[in-house]
Amino acid sequence: KQEVTQIPAALSVPEGENLVLNCSFTDSAIYNLQWFRQDPGKGLTSLLLIQSSQREQTSGRLNASLDKSSGRSTLYIAASQPGDSATYLCAVRYGGYQKVTFGTGTKLQVIP
Amino acid sequence: GAGVSQSPSNKVTEKGKDVELRCDPISGHTALYWYRQSLGQGLEFLIYFQGNSAPDKSGLPSDRFSAERTGGSVSTLTIQRTQQEDSAVYLCASLLDHSTDTQYFGPGTRLTVL
Repeated sequence: KQEVTQIPAALSVPEGENLVLNCSFTDSAIYNLQWFRQDPGKGLTSLLLIQSSQREQTSGRLNASLDKSSGRSTLYIAASQPGDSATYLCAVRYGGYQKVTFGTGTKLQVIP
Repeated sequence: GAGVSQSPSNKVTEKGKDVELRCDPISGHTALYWYRQSLGQGLEFLIYFQGNSAPDKSGLPSDRFSAERTGGSVSTLTIQRTQQEDSAVYLCASLLDHSTDTQYFGPGTRLTVL
């Protein structure tokens, strides 16, 4: 069974801190991995997508890394801001399957 | 341009009633997903449509759940004889094609079964 785990489930940090969110997956034969953010009462917004052949992707203050051999991805957020407060989910797609497996998310609170 | 829209945004129904949830994907997007997000749970895949191909229904939890996509555009998810455990947020996502593989999500429909 393909499982995706995110730890911690919740994280609270003061504004300005750099932070790392973790995503682990059991089956390393992934096609790609995607990070989303979800704001309360809203759908998901794609942040970064890493193909299996890539090791990292960057967008602004966000950097996502992928280590297939260890079954891990991290999302690094630099200089956190209150507007970064949201739930962050990672999602893994496996080759040959259109189904995407989501983690349960990390709820981030950035305190002003 | 318009994103993915879903209606209704909230639905409260009584146990045993049927409900129909609607998803309007982004125009031109060939693929469409339905997911369910229960309180404290991750997103659970329900069904996937790709063009004119037969849908992947492997995530539907029971035969009370069905979905269709008419004309390759609008999709409806129908839940018959609703149960309290069906209470969740139902999310729809569309995707242009798998070369980009970025899903665009709607705001969801919050279903409450009393």
